[in-house]
Amino acid sequence: GAGVSQSPSNKVTEKGKDVELRCDPISGHTALYWYRQRLGQGLEFLIYFQGNSAPDKSGLPSDRFSAERTGESVSTLTIQRTQQEDSAVYLCASSLAPGGGETQYFGPGTRLLVL
Amino acid sequence: AQSVSQHNHHVILSEAASLELGCNYSYGGTVNLFWYVQYPGQHLQLLLKYFSGDPLVKGIKGFEAEFIKSKFSFNLRKPSVQWSDTAEYFCAVNAGYGGATNKLIFGTGTLLAVQP
Repeated sequence: GAGVSQSPSNKVTEKGKDVELRCDPISGHTALYWYRQRLGQGLEFLIYFQGNSAPDKSGLPSDRFSAERTGESVSTLTIQRTQQEDSAVYLCASSLAPGGGETQYFGPGTRLLVL
Repeated sequence: AQSVSQHNHHVILSEAASLELGCNYSYGGTVNLFWYVQYPGQHLQLLLKYFSGDPLVKGIKGFEAEFIKSKFSFNLRKPSVQWSDTAEYFCAVNAGYGGATNKLIFGTGTLLAVQP
């Protein structure tokens, strides 16, 4: 079936504006993850959703970042009052219910540029 | 805190050369280990993973990796690279096995350029 999709592909915004990024996971995948990749760095975990459990928000860098997921479907990552250091590629991944070795399937990412 | 180190940031090889990319992690418990690859213009995709059992893991496109627990290492190897292997390679560890989270901790990546 279809892979993980993300929108928009690219987003340019002005410092101080809010942005919303969307992720559609693979159908049937109960786990969903957000990561970001800043230039020259590895992927950095942001937040993890698994079914109806409380999300693991331990990677969110500040309270300007939040994410929601409705059931086992779409997720949105919101960044309020964007800063230039928020510029990065934001990646979403999904997997089957985690047993430790479950493969995470990644989307194409949203490239965010904050001017 | 858990971390993953990839010591080679840029590697340039000629076709048919052998490849070994280093990956070391810091975590004393049970781990699952992954290598992901990102070809130019494409998504991150799984190359191979170690979950349990045989520490020598074979993946797609002729790649393999060996988990050496005593060295906290999971190096990626390929005996003969091709131009199409030009990509960025990421090592990752999941140290949340059996726990409440399944997040991956990634290394900073190794950019491999294979010259024809």
